[in-house]
Parts: sequence; C-alpha cells; structure tokens
Amino acid sequence: GNSVTQMEGPVTLSEEAFLTINCTYTATGYPSLFWYVQYPGEGLQLLLKATKADDKGSNKGFEATYRKETTSFHLEKGSVQVSDSAVYFCALSGSSNTGNQFYFGTGTSLTVIP
Amino acid sequence: DGGITQSPKYLFRKEGQNVTLSCEQNLNHDAMYWYRQDPGQGLRLIYYSQIVNDFQKGDIAEGYSVSREKKESFPLTVTSAQKNPTAFYLCASSARGQGRQPQHFGDGTRLSIL
Repeated sequence: GNSVTQMEGPVTLSEEAFLTINCTYTATGYPSLFWYVQYPGEGLQLLLKATKADDKGSNKGFEATYRKETTSFHLEKGSVQVSDSAVYFCALSGSSNTGNQFYFGTGTSLTVIP
Repeated sequence: DGGITQSPKYLFRKEGQNVTLSCEQNLNHDAMYWYRQDPGQGLRLIYYSQIVNDFQKGDIAEGYSVSREKKESFPLTVTSAQKNPTAFYLCASSARGQGRQPQHFGDGTRLSIL
C-alpha cells in the first residue's frame, strides 16, 4: 500500500543552520510527493511538490528532490530563520484499489532559535 | 481574497451533545475535505466531497456526519457517538482534477470537551 514516513521531531536549530527533514515513502505506481507547512495556530499551506522522479520542488528557500531509487523526498534549507518555526508534513498522492488517495506523514516540528 | 473560512476557532462540547463546525470557501473549488489532527498522528481524513450533494467517508468517519448542499459549504457535525472528539479539525478544498490533493486549508477549529 501507500504510506509516508517522516523523521520524528521535535527538531531544534539555531538561526542560519542547515535543515534536513527526512521523508521516505512506499507507493504503488508513480506517486506525486508534497511538503506542507503549518505555522502555529493556522492550517496547512502547500510548500512545494514534485510529480515525477528526479524533479526538484522549491519554494521560500526550501528544496526537496524526488528520489525514486531511495524512495525519498527529504526537505532541505541551507539557512533557517526564526520565522521557519512550524510543523512540516510530507505527503503523497498515489493510486490505490479505490482510486487516487492522499496520505500525510505524522509531521515534524521545527523550532529555530535566535 | 479567496480562501477557506472555518468557524468557530474554538468550540466546547458537553457530553452527549452534537456540535457543527462550519467551513465555507470562495475559491470555486469542487472538492472539499475534513481532517482531524491529533498530536503525533498527522492528519486523518474524516469525510470528503468531490461535488455538490455527494460525499464519501474517509478513514475515520465514525461519529461524524457531513452535508454538501452548496458548493461553497461543507459543514461537519461531531455527534455524541464520537467518544473522543477533542482535536483540531481542518477543512480543505481543491479544484477539479487534483486527485484528492488538498490545495487550500482553513485555519482550523479546536474542539474540546467540557
């Protein structure tokens, strides 16, 4: 079946540190992959996505590359800011017996300290 | 600006009481979704609707009901049959052809039991 596994948090980093949040997936067929961000007290926002192998999604300094060989879609940012403190969700859109389905990971909380 | 409005932001329920969470969108999106968010569990799909007057159960529909009488509105009722309703509830929407990928989220309703 389809599923998404992301690294457990919480993650705490100092401002300007390098960020990696790991995400791996299991899927039948050729899924699309997504990262969503949830700022405190708000709903989720789509951060970036990739629809096929080797695609790189990017937005607001964040990047993630769709790696079919390692079934991964790790989120990276070269220099985090305090305003990046949020919960990050990896997600997958893939086919199943009942049609196209959408799956969220459990979320990784990031806190950036000045 | 287009978006999704959820109300109220905070809601309290007494034992044995039904409560209804409002979700309205002005994005002209065909599909709407309800998710439940619990700490450490990510988002779980309660119900979704792809067109007016039609909706399907998600992964955790028991104890919940919905209606979709208008394109703009997708209210969720938490019934007394839902034994553990305390959670953060998120409504989302997407345009046609997105394969159940939620594109826009509301800011959520936090439901607590008195």
